[in-house]
Amino acid sequence: DAGVTQSPTHLIKTRGQHVTLRCSPISGHKSVSWYQQVLGQGPQFIFQYYEKEERGRGNFPDRFSARQFPNYSSELNVNALLLGDSALYLCASSSTTLNEKLFFGSGTQLSVL
Amino acid sequence: SQQGEEDPQALSIQEGENATMNCSYKTSINNLQWYRQNSGRGLVHLILIRSNEREKHSGRLRVTLDTSKKSSSLLITASRAADTASYFCATDGPGGGNKLTFGTGTQLKVEL
Repeated sequence: DAGVTQSPTHLIKTRGQHVTLRCSPISGHKSVSWYQQVLGQGPQFIFQYYEKEERGRGNFPDRFSARQFPNYSSELNVNALLLGDSALYLCASSSTTLNEKLFFGSGTQLSVL
Repeated sequence: SQQGEEDPQALSIQEGENATMNCSYKTSINNLQWYRQNSGRGLVHLILIRSNEREKHSGRLRVTLDTSKKSSSLLITASRAADTASYFCATDGPGGGNKLTFGTGTQLKVEL
């Protein structure tokens, strides 16, 4: 079975633009979480979705939004990009909402110029 | 914000030696997990220890948890060059549930 897949792997945007990142969870996993990892730091929680409903939101501005589709894939959208949004965006899936073992994708490296 | 602080920030050892890294956290937890990250890409789950457990083993990994001190340690025995990676502890929040809070990580380098 395929692991968690994310696309694109790399992305370069300019300030003020919008970006959409995509994630496909492991087959059978209904929970998808998004994390932002700035260079040199640990991942920070952005969103969790389970069964297409938002189950948690981290301390990120409203420029960040996400959704989960009926096939449990997910999109993370970021509007009005800032230089500080440059980071590795990680998607993780799990079979429950408990996050007792997350399976991570390889991430999308976003650079905002 | 980061829940945990890891210590040391960086660790360099020779192959065959043991590596110990520590994690401290701030709030009550249901469980604590350790993840490994190679070259800034995806994280891989290593081990989970519950708040009512004090020690857990998995292969060459040994994890301890001291909830009174809000700290955990990860020991990798007989390290290999392939163990070179960043290691993060992650905790769930009070009441469990929907997010993990990661520490700042320890960069481990195992030299031949």
